[in-house]
Amino acid sequence: QKEVEQDPGPLSVPEGAIVSLNCTYSNSAFQYFMWYRQYSRKGPELLMYTYSSGNKEDGRFTAQVDKSSKYISLFIRDSQPSDSATYLCAMRLSGGYNKLIFGAGTRLAVHP
Amino acid sequence: DAGVIQSPRHEVTEMGQEVTLRCKPISGHNSLFWYRQTMMRGLELLIYFNNNVPIDDSGMPEDRFSAKMPNASFSTLKIQPSEPRDSAVYFCASSLDYGGTGAGSEQYFGPGTRLTVT
Repeated sequence: QKEVEQDPGPLSVPEGAIVSLNCTYSNSAFQYFMWYRQYSRKGPELLMYTYSSGNKEDGRFTAQVDKSSKYISLFIRDSQPSDSATYLCAMRLSGGYNKLIFGAGTRLAVHP
Repeated sequence: DAGVIQSPRHEVTEMGQEVTLRCKPISGHNSLFWYRQTMMRGLELLIYFNNNVPIDDSGMPEDRFSAKMPNASFSTLKIQPSEPRDSAVYFCASSLDYGGTGAGSEQYFGPGTRLTVT
């Protein structure tokens, strides 16, 4: 079993839809949780960063962490065609070096 | 800042040849990471350096792969000999890391090198 599980999709939604992306993990010691966005033929870029449990909102994006369930989510409201990309969750321990464990990534397509 | 710079952007080579990928991290960053991305296996961490010292190379697939960081502004990933199964996109990323304290900043990724081994 992988440390971080993420459904690779693809996920196809109409413009304006609410999108929910999720990851589960097995290591309860993870404390930092991130979502990276990767456009086609580009490197991943950080989208959201959360420490421990709770919610964080940034514009149309909301990240949620439920440590009791070992489950993290990214919600995209009013999705736009420009949101079409692969979304990778990543997480790391609180101690040690800045080593990230990535999920497989979910490919999202938002069609007009 | 120019961001993380990788070269070449594309590399096509024949099986058995040596391949060298290059990376220049963001100035001031002290951690450097090499990743490999494929459809089947996703984004895999191969090796990472902190202050030019290799910290964890457990992701390096086999002895054919080697990585060096001779100074804070340059790193190489070498594959010798290359095989078709090495075909992938190789990313370099850098960050500012307080080495073992648990405090680390965002990892910034380069544009990647798309390697094709025929």
